[in-house]
Amino acid sequence: DVKVTQSSRYLVKRTGEKVFLECVQDMDHENMFWYRQDPGLGLRLIYFSYDVKMKEKGDIPEGYSVSREKKERFSLILESASTNQTSMYLCATYRGLAGQSSYNEQFFGPGTRLTVL
Amino acid sequence: AQSVTQPDIHITVSEGASLELRCNYSYGATPYLFWYVQSPGQGLQLLLKYFSGDTLVQGIKGFEAEFKRSQSSFNLRKPSVHWSDAAEYFCAVGAQNDYKLSFGAGTTVTVRA
Repeated sequence: DVKVTQSSRYLVKRTGEKVFLECVQDMDHENMFWYRQDPGLGLRLIYFSYDVKMKEKGDIPEGYSVSREKKERFSLILESASTNQTSMYLCATYRGLAGQSSYNEQFFGPGTRLTVL
Repeated sequence: AQSVTQPDIHITVSEGASLELRCNYSYGATPYLFWYVQSPGQGLQLLLKYFSGDTLVQGIKGFEAEFKRSQSSFNLRKPSVHWSDAAEYFCAVGAQNDYKLSFGAGTTVTVRA
């Protein structure tokens, strides 16, 4: 079974802090995602990485950056946290070549609920 | 670009009753369609998916979904709901030439005894 773990289940930060959310997968998948989940909006893609050091912006990248130094680890960075970044953040992974179809199942971590005060 | 609408925000159903969750998609070609479930405190788990072939798809946990091209729908059904089916359900659509999935807003299912 694919296992996707996220560093924290709950996180409380203050406005202006730099925040790191970490995701680790153990199945050697090439592709990793960061989503944001908000009530009534479903999941929205923040960033996608299809290989080490490779990334693409998703639909809502503003205010976020990412880092992928190792294949198994994908970090989401909030450079200066703001209250409108209070949300649930989900990491996902899937097996397949970069840029190819969404045929394969995405495997999700349990999520990090971030509150920015 | 593809998109998904889940018309029902919240559904309450009695244990043992049938359940149907609606999903409408917008995409010009043949879509890849998925249903995911998110139990409280958990990440999303794939219930079933459709790419081609038989339009009635069987999934895990006793769920099935039917693809209807003429109605641009992919509704999820379960004949008899269990209390453990209380969760949030997401429909998603993907494309053959794109890694991205577009998710619907989700439907929360409450199961009453």
